[in-house]
Amino acid sequence: DTGVSQDPRHKITKRGQNVTFRCDPISEHNRLYWYRQTLGQGPEFLTYFQNEAQLEKSRLLSDRFSAERPKGSFSTLEIQRTEQGDSAMYLCASSYGGPNQPQHFGDGTRLSIL
Amino acid sequence: EDQVTQSPEALRLQEGESSSLNCSYTVSGLRGLFWYRQDPGKGPEFLFTLYSAGEEKEKERLKATLTKKESFLHITAPKPEDSATYLCAVLNDYKLSFGAGTTVTVRA
Repeated sequence: DTGVSQDPRHKITKRGQNVTFRCDPISEHNRLYWYRQTLGQGPEFLTYFQNEAQLEKSRLLSDRFSAERPKGSFSTLEIQRTEQGDSAMYLCASSYGGPNQPQHFGDGTRLSIL
Repeated sequence: EDQVTQSPEALRLQEGESSSLNCSYTVSGLRGLFWYRQDPGKGPEFLFTLYSAGEEKEKERLKATLTKKESFLHITAPKPEDSATYLCAVLNDYKLSFGAGTTVTVRA
């Protein structure tokens, strides 16, 4: 069990640029989640995949955000035309089995917008 | 909408000084309450899941309890390595709604 892996760990970019983050879930975990966390707050739900199907997107996820999980394995989260308000820690989590099983988190990608 | 409130925001303890953290919640249909530990610069680390009122879980110096309106995380005889932010979250359907956390600092 190697845990949830996220890449890169840190990303610094200029406002208006596009960025893409990758998440590799724990092997055989069928559910994958993306959350966003700002300083002093708990994580906020962004989107959820069961296998390769994206089942829900939070209203926090504007049309500049897109997530994919091809073949139900790794996932990518892309932010287009980044804004200052996008600066945050982007966390990925995965779980196995039913929806009430624990979600296991990666160490996140910290995004800083200059 | 689900609401999770944690108190206190910060807690400073002397090594060995036991204390409790509170997590109050309102949710339309609780499918589970989760406790996580988060160290600076890291993702949340899963500690416990509680599914029904009256349930208790223990792990080393930590014990979590659940009622119909709140959960407590008891830290018994803490050590400096217990210093972290403790997050609670409620599960509604499949997504977690988190509180803002309690940051615990244990001094030697």
